[in-house]
Amino acid sequence: EADIYQTPRYLVIGTGKKITLECSQTMGHDKMYWYQQDPGMELHLIHYSYGVNSTEKGDLSSESTVSRIRTEHFPLTLESARPSHTSQYLCASTGQGREKLFFGSGTQLSVL
Amino acid sequence: GENVEQHPSTLSVQEGDSAVIKCTYSDSASNYFPWYKQELGKGPQLIIDIRSNVGEKKDQRIAVTLNKTAKHFSLHITETQPEDSAVYFCAASSRGSTLGRLYFGRGTQLTVWP
Repeated sequence: EADIYQTPRYLVIGTGKKITLECSQTMGHDKMYWYQQDPGMELHLIHYSYGVNSTEKGDLSSESTVSRIRTEHFPLTLESARPSHTSQYLCASTGQGREKLFFGSGTQLSVL
Repeated sequence: GENVEQHPSTLSVQEGDSAVIKCTYSDSASNYFPWYKQELGKGPQLIIDIRSNVGEKKDQRIAVTLNKTAKHFSLHITETQPEDSAVYFCAASSRGSTLGRLYFGRGTQLTVWP
């Protein structure tokens, strides 16, 4: 059973609000990822981190930012949410030298 | 980078029938091919994986086959049950990749009718 947690599960907010999606894992994994999943199911990598103080942008351009101050925590922040940010956001992690990804249950974000 | 194509995008089968989902990849350096199942309201979970030194792997009703020459791999589910209904993703990765990351297909929505 994966020990990776995302909060909140659902979030409905108004345009222009600043939000932070939380992701935490208790497995000591060094690599963490954020994926955006569109209604057509496709997974788009938007951010990843290989360890503390290491963050990189993924394939899909995103207006969000991430930080990795602690190994177990990888929050994603939107400074000013827009309706185009409405999506499912999935956090994942994996350990050093391992390939199996563990996913959280996701945050369904709706921006009105 | 790697490009993974997955087909079909939707698949409907009768309970008890078999289901097959196919994927192709572009990078010959890819050597790890996992399959993930995503149930409604949950994140994807690994159900089976295969490495490039193996041609086939089975786990109860699930099997994966790999053809390195043709650069394609397939997921086979036999004796399907309604609880197999979910979205399935194939993926590929290469140890040689600087990212060490997975490249996912677009997903297949499998529906098993009772």
